[in-house]
Amino acid sequence: NAGVTQTPKFQVLKTGQSMTLQCAQDMNHEYMSWYRQDPGMGLRLIHYSVGAGITDQGEVPNGYNVSRSTTEDFPLRLLSAAPSQTSVYFCASSYDLDKTGNFQYEQYFGPGTRLTVT
Amino acid sequence: AQKVTQAQTEISVVEKEDVTLDCVYETRDTTYYLFWYKQPPSGELVFLIRRNSFDEQNEISGRYSWNFQKSTSSFNFTITASQVVDSAVYFCALSEVGAGSYQLTFGKGTKLSVIP
Repeated sequence: NAGVTQTPKFQVLKTGQSMTLQCAQDMNHEYMSWYRQDPGMGLRLIHYSVGAGITDQGEVPNGYNVSRSTTEDFPLRLLSAAPSQTSVYFCASSYDLDKTGNFQYEQYFGPGTRLTVT
Repeated sequence: AQKVTQAQTEISVVEKEDVTLDCVYETRDTTYYLFWYKQPPSGELVFLIRRNSFDEQNEISGRYSWNFQKSTSSFNFTITASQVVDSAVYFCALSEVGAGSYQLTFGKGTKLSVIP
C-alpha cells in the first residue's frame, strides 16, 4: 500500500490563479479530510468527506472546493488563489471498521503540499 | 464545540532531561479519541498514540508515556531521557466520534528543542 499520497509537494501560484491539490489513498478508507497548517495555528480542517459523493465543510472552507467521485480520490481546488492561502496542506484518510467488523480508528496523513501564493 | 489547548508554545531541555508536554481538551461528547502527533523538521506528521475516552489507563512506549485524566480533561505526554532526535513540534488532537466523520481538532502545537 502506498498509503495517502499528495501531489504536488511544492507549488507557487500567483494571486488569482486556480489549481487543484491531489490526494489519493489506496486503503479503501471511507473518510477523507483536508487540513491546512499555518505557523502557530496547528492544523485546521478545511473540508471532509464521509464517502464517495458526500462532502461537507470544516472550520475554514472559504476559497476551497472539494468533490469525492471515487473512494480513492479527494482533490482540493483553489478557485482564485490569495496570499492568505499560503500554507502547508495535509490530506488525511481514516476508517472505523476493520475487515472483521470490529471498530477501529486510525488516521493516516499524507506528506503534505507546501503552497505559496505571491 | 471541541477545543484543544497546548499552553506551552516552546520548550527547551538539555539532552537526557525528562519533559512533559501538556494537553487540555474540551468536548461535550462522552465518546471521543485523543491523539498525539510528532512533526519533525522534515514536516510529515508522525502518529504517536490514540486513546479512546473509555480507556484511562496510562500508557508507556519506550521513553514515551501518556497520562490521561478525564477528571481534569488532560492528556499529557512525557518523554523520559530526552534525545536530540525528539526535537520536533508535537500536536495533541481530539476527535468526536459522534459526528461520524472523525474530524480532528488540533492544538496549536508545542515546539520541543532538545539541546545536546
